[in-house]
Amino acid sequence: GAGVSQSPSNKVTEKGKDVELRCDPISGHTALYWYRQSLGQGLEFLIYFQGNSAPDKSGLPSDRFSAERTGGSVSTLTIQRTQQEDSAVYLCASSRRDPPYNEQFFGPGTRLTVL
Amino acid sequence: SQQGEEDPQALSIQEGENATMNCSYKTSINNLQWYRQNSGRGLVHLILIRSNEREKHSGRLRVTLDTSKKSSSLLITASRAADTASYFCATTRLRNNRLAFGKGNQVVVIP
Repeated sequence: GAGVSQSPSNKVTEKGKDVELRCDPISGHTALYWYRQSLGQGLEFLIYFQGNSAPDKSGLPSDRFSAERTGGSVSTLTIQRTQQEDSAVYLCASSRRDPPYNEQFFGPGTRLTVL
Repeated sequence: SQQGEEDPQALSIQEGENATMNCSYKTSINNLQWYRQNSGRGLVHLILIRSNEREKHSGRLRVTLDTSKKSSSLLITASRAADTASYFCATTRLRNNRLAFGKGNQVVVIP
């Protein structure tokens, strides 16, 4: 079946602009995660959605970052007033809810470059 | 803060040799997972070991977990050129599925 998809694959933007990154999880997966990967910080957790529960936003680095998940499926990560330090690969993952199925399936990522 | 931390290794081995990489972490975990990443993009899940397990095998992969030392190792036997990638360990804690990743090991398998 189809895996996790993300769009766009690459995004170049100017400092101060807002960007939206999209994630389509695997059908039937109720958990969705956003991570980002940069040279300086490695792989960092950003936010986690699980069903109808309140999302775990504890990894978001600032209030310029927000995410939503509509209809329990597609998710959008929004970065407002982008800064150069936001440049990174943003990775989305999804997983089945029931433990011990904690394996996460990752999308190909969106490479964000802030000029 | 990240829980998983690999020894900062960059392995370069000949095809057919075994590759071993290590990971240490700092807090109690629910499980530990290993992921592979090619070309800096998507991560592929390799193997998951639960906190009450000590060893697990999957094909050419063998992972061990020592919770008393808070460490894990990943062994790839009979390596192939296609195994060239970065390998990350990641941990989850009880009641929280977020992954805490280590810094990764870069493995180069020379044909």
